[in-house]
Order: sequence, then C-alpha cells, then structure tokens
Amino acid sequence: DAGVTQSPTHLIKTRGQHVTLRCSPISGHKSVSWYQQVLGQGPQFIFQYYEKEERGRGNFPDRFSARQFPNYSSELNVNALLLGDSALYLCASKWGGGSTDTQYFGPGTRLTVL
Amino acid sequence: QKEVEQDPGPLSVPEGAIVSLNCTYSNSAFQYFMWYRQYSRKGPELLMYTYSSGNKEDGRFTAQVDKSSKYISLFIRDSQPSDSATYLCAMSSTNAGGTSYGKLTFGQGTILTVHP
Repeated sequence: DAGVTQSPTHLIKTRGQHVTLRCSPISGHKSVSWYQQVLGQGPQFIFQYYEKEERGRGNFPDRFSARQFPNYSSELNVNALLLGDSALYLCASKWGGGSTDTQYFGPGTRLTVL
Repeated sequence: QKEVEQDPGPLSVPEGAIVSLNCTYSNSAFQYFMWYRQYSRKGPELLMYTYSSGNKEDGRFTAQVDKSSKYISLFIRDSQPSDSATYLCAMSSTNAGGTSYGKLTFGQGTILTVHP
C-alpha cells in the first residue's frame, strides 16, 4: 500500500508570494495533520483536519490555512511568504480523529523562501 | 520553557554500543508517547508507541516511560550504522479542550551517528 504522499518535493519561492502544498493520506485514513519542521528542530503542529473539518490549530499566523477534500486529501496554503517560512512541511495521516491513533508521516515538502 | 525537552546531541557511538535517548516533559496531560526516527531529508518514521508507564520492547528497541518523573527513554541495543539518524520523541494528550485533538508535540530531536 502507498504511504502518505506529498507534492511538490521541493519548492523555491520569494518573499511575499503564495504557496500551496498538497498531501494524499494513506488509503482509508480520514485525518490529516500538517507540521512545520525548521532545520535542527522538531516538527511543530500547524493544523489537523478530520472528515473535512478543522479539529486543531497550532500557534501559526492567519497566513497559514488549510482544507481537506471529500477524498481526504489536503492542501496547506501559506500567503505572504516570509524568510522564516523556509522549512520542511510534513503531512501526517491517521485513521480516526482521536489522540490514540498512530500518525504516519509523508516525506515532506521542502520550501525555501528567498 | 518548552513542553518537551530533548538533548539534541549530537551523539556518536561505535557499532554494537547500547544507545540511550531521553526526553523530559512538563505537561502532565500527555498520555501517549512515541519515538520517531528521521533520516536526513525524509519524513519521520514511527518506531515505538507507548501509553502506560513501564517498558515496551520491540526487537533491538526498548521504550521506557516514567510518568511520575515525566521522563521517557529509548534504548537501542547492538546499534548499527543504519541506525544513524535523528530520533524524535513525541507526545499527545487525550483532551486538550478540543483545540489540539491528536496533536503531537515533539522534542528537538537527537542526532545519532553509529560508526563502524
């Protein structure tokens, strides 16, 4: 079975631009979470979606938004990019919306903001 | 103060050594504890998942949780060069007011190198 897939793999943008990152969960998984991992740090929680509804939001500005589609895939959007947004963006999927379910991570999208 | 503290290392050991990785946490609401392994430029891969205090063993890996001390550990026996990676501890709670349902809080990660 395919794991969590993310696209694109790498992305280079300039300050002020907008970016959209995409994630496809493991087949049968209904929950998708997004994390930001700055170099040398652990991942930081951005959003969780379950059954197309936002279930959780981390301490990120409103420039960050996300949505989940009927097929459970998800998009993360970041507006007005800043240099500090350069990071590895990770998507994780799990079967349900609860805290006990195991989360499986994708390979990430590496975003560089110049 | 961060909710989860993890010594970033780096940690360098010879092949065959026993490796001990540790995290401390301050949030007593954390009930689920995980260890992830992350190779360079890859996504984290789940190694161990524990709920209760005590030990859980899986092959060469043993996860230990001490909720009274808010301290978790991962032991790797007979370490191999292929174990060279960043090890991340992660935690979650069952009820965080509905705003972080299933949210994982990670440590900084420990960089481990096992040399032949």
